[in-house]
Amino acid sequence: DVKVTQSSRYLVKRTGEKVFLECVQDMDHENMFWYRQDPGLGLRLIYFSYDVKMKEKGDIPEGYSVSREKKERFSLILESASTNQTSMYLCASSSWTGSQPQHFGDGTRLSIL
Amino acid sequence: QKEVEQDPGPLSVPEGAIVSLNCTYSNSAFQYFMWYRQYSRKGPELLMYTYSSGNKEDGRFTAQVDKSSKYISLFIRDSQPSDSATYLCAMTQGSGNTGKLIFGQGTTLQVKP
Repeated sequence: DVKVTQSSRYLVKRTGEKVFLECVQDMDHENMFWYRQDPGLGLRLIYFSYDVKMKEKGDIPEGYSVSREKKERFSLILESASTNQTSMYLCASSSWTGSQPQHFGDGTRLSIL
Repeated sequence: QKEVEQDPGPLSVPEGAIVSLNCTYSNSAFQYFMWYRQYSRKGPELLMYTYSSGNKEDGRFTAQVDKSSKYISLFIRDSQPSDSATYLCAMTQGSGNTGKLIFGQGTTLQVKP
């Protein structure tokens, strides 16, 4: 079974802090994704990566950056956290073919105070 | 107009009922269709994965795709309280794609004992 592991289930940070969310997958997948999920807004894609050191902006990249130095690891960075970034963050991975489903981690519930 | 439309519900049914969950979409290039189940405070888990039109059955779950109508459905037979969750549809066109999926907003289902 595919396993996508997010480093923290719950995280509380203060405004202005730099925040790192980590995600690791164990299936040698080429594609990795970061989403945020908010009530009434569904899943929104922040960034994705289709290879090591490659990244593409999603629908809402403002205020975020990403890093993918190794194939199995994809990090989401909040450069200067703000209260409107309080959300559930989900990481996902999939194999390189464009038709494959994504497999999700259990999410990080991030609160910015 | 969103590419994928899904009624957010909530949908409340008695235990044992047949449940029908639906999504409509506008992009005729979509060929691969998925259903995810998401329990509260967890990540989405893949439930069904289908290609093109037709039906696919897995236990109490049946996924149906009607490409001519741009309409997909998930049927749950003999529904159980443990089926209470949010169900998200997702789809992609497949080859030449970066692996991005287009998600519906999700339908919240409650099965009452």
